[in-house]
Amino acid sequence: SQQGEEDPQALSIQEGENATMNCSYKTSINNLQWYRQNSGRGLVHLILIRSNEREKHSGRLRVTLDTSKKSSSLLITASRAADTASYFCATASYNQAGTALIFGKGTTLSVSS
Amino acid sequence: IAGITQAPTSQILAAGRRMTLRCTQDMRHNAMYWYRQDLGLGLRLIHYSNTAGTTGKGEVPDGYSVSRANTDDFPLTLASAVPSQTSVYFCASSEASGGIGELFFGEGSRLTVL
Repeated sequence: SQQGEEDPQALSIQEGENATMNCSYKTSINNLQWYRQNSGRGLVHLILIRSNEREKHSGRLRVTLDTSKKSSSLLITASRAADTASYFCATASYNQAGTALIFGKGTTLSVSS
Repeated sequence: IAGITQAPTSQILAAGRRMTLRCTQDMRHNAMYWYRQDLGLGLRLIHYSNTAGTTGKGEVPDGYSVSRANTDDFPLTLASAVPSQTSVYFCASSEASGGIGELFFGEGSRLTVL
């Protein structure tokens, strides 16, 4: 089963508004990462937050992490049409052979001008 | 700098045929990964390799095999393709293994099995 689950599945907003996406996960983590995917393209890394961090900023992005609730949120402020994309959270998952990043199903963000 | 190169970009394949998706990275990353992406299911890990010479199974490994003979290449083979393997396949790499660093993705290989 997937480690991370994003919420909502889809989000439609107007340019200039803020967009908030949430991610819940199941097991202990070393870090949580957020990725962006434009339609038909590969994923691009946005930001990594470690388990001992509570908040991190990168430009218009703000990520929070609550390890007690096993959840994270990604906030995009003053959204632009170019922010239209799918956003995924990812966490490391342990299995018999080692550890690798497991992705959630993603949130599809549509920003209209 | 190319980063991650995947080939082919797109392929239509008859069921039962053998197919190898190629993935090459020029970043000298230790770890490499194969994911498949299906509508409504997000990305699912097929196989991964933490370093040259080692491989591991992900969430959905059945019907797929991988090899990691050197640092740069990580081919994914479908020994006998089935329609349920129709998907977009993404190769990725990271400098560190174990999910502790960021992944760099290729642009994907769209595979249709008829």
